Amino acid sequence: GAGVSQSPRYKVTKRGQDVALRCDPISGHVSLYWYRQALGQGPEFLTYFNYEAQQDKSGLPNDRFSAERPEGSISTLTIQRTEQRDSAMYRCASSLRDSPTGANVLTFGAGSRLTVL
Amino acid sequence: AQSVTQLGSHVSVSEGALVLLRCNYSSSVPPYLFWYVQYPNQGLQLLLKYTTGATLVKGINGFEAEFKKSETSFHLTKPSAHMSDAAEYFCAVSYGGATNKLIFGTGTLLAVQP
Repeated sequence: GAGVSQSPRYKVTKRGQDVALRCDPISGHVSLYWYRQALGQGPEFLTYFNYEAQQDKSGLPNDRFSAERPEGSISTLTIQRTEQRDSAMYRCASSLRDSPTGANVLTFGAGSRLTVL
Repeated sequence: AQSVTQLGSHVSVSEGALVLLRCNYSSSVPPYLFWYVQYPNQGLQLLLKYTTGATLVKGINGFEAEFKKSETSFHLTKPSAHMSDAAEYFCAVSYGGATNKLIFGTGTLLAVQP
């Protein structure tokens, strides 16, 4: 597609429920990133995919968080047994990766705002 | 740990006045440097980036930033603020490598007064 598409835009859930957030990157973009942004903070790195391979998951806060990108395109971030502290904006970004300058320009989606009651 | 510091979580300027948003990074190795802007209910949009070469970088909407290695800074400026510049601005760095992820500052909310 023309841009990075995320769904749902807004999700309200009760504590203890599982949620799945979807990201559809720009067509042809090899790299895909998930970030979390709490209110009043900058985006915080969660995980990174190169094609379908999850190459860095160092930012996932605990084992309730997982992500996949099975065919190297659409990705899903899953949060199990949600807690109130999981409430945040979850942002997905994609990039071509192989920039001639080495600088990685990420294109971000509008985000999925998660509220856990 | 590598980090990015943005001084001033809120900055208010009058329309037509100079905009100066500060960004400092902490590392001995100069990173790639970025400024992103976030308008309400929208995704982060790239304003400008520094990779190599000329240290004064021009971006969209009349913004520019200067990389100063001696000061480990990458401050964002615009000579004359417009009402439409009201948004949140994020400075970010990356160091390449296998992940090449962006590390963001905490952001500066810019208000433009008429």
